Amino acid sequence: DADVTQTPRNRITKTGKRIMLECSQTKGHDRMYWYRQDPGLGLRLIYYSFDVKDINKGEISDGYSVSRQAQAKFSLSLESAIPNQTALYFCATSDLNGNGELFFGEGSRLTVL
Amino acid sequence: GNSVTQMEGPVTLSEEAFLTINCTYTATGYPSLFWYVQYPGEGLQLLLKATKADDKGSNKGFEATYRKETTSFHLEKGSVQVSDSAVYFCALAKTSYDKVIFGPGTSLSVIP
Repeated sequence: DADVTQTPRNRITKTGKRIMLECSQTKGHDRMYWYRQDPGLGLRLIYYSFDVKDINKGEISDGYSVSRQAQAKFSLSLESAIPNQTALYFCATSDLNGNGELFFGEGSRLTVL
Repeated sequence: GNSVTQMEGPVTLSEEAFLTINCTYTATGYPSLFWYVQYPGEGLQLLLKATKADDKGSNKGFEATYRKETTSFHLEKGSVQVSDSAVYFCALAKTSYDKVIFGPGTSLSVIP
């Protein structure tokens, strides 16, 4: 089993719908992140959490919210999806002493029609 | 602010060709530098890293040297294989307490 698991892997939805992407990890890391990948733009940070009680906005948090339910679980929500949120979303984790090394899930491809 | 710039792709090479993907960064102090690789249909994984000036990171035949004087961390491989076809991301982190900043990625295709 993967150390960082994302569900769903693929989702097609309509404008205005609420969507939740879930991430769980078995690495025991305190830090978790949500990134968005768009062609030519690389990865952009949406939200990150350094522990269960800590939530921080990244560079593109508008239109998104997150919940850190436990050390191992970090969910990303789109309250009212819009087409320009169509992208590949990645969850990642890191260890406090890892010099910034990130461990990624396999991605969740979201299409908003 | 902190940023990473890397050469635009896509890059297409023949098998056994020499590879260079340029990466430069903007940051104060001495950030840690990384190359991540994303194979088709997969998440990113760390390829190599360097944490201080003049360090050389290496893995799977790839190398990159942390050049503080030119703020660069270019990725090189002497002889690429078809299995190296992927997207390569340069990245930096100011400290282990800081978030990682990625470049836009460079797509590499290696043809037989």
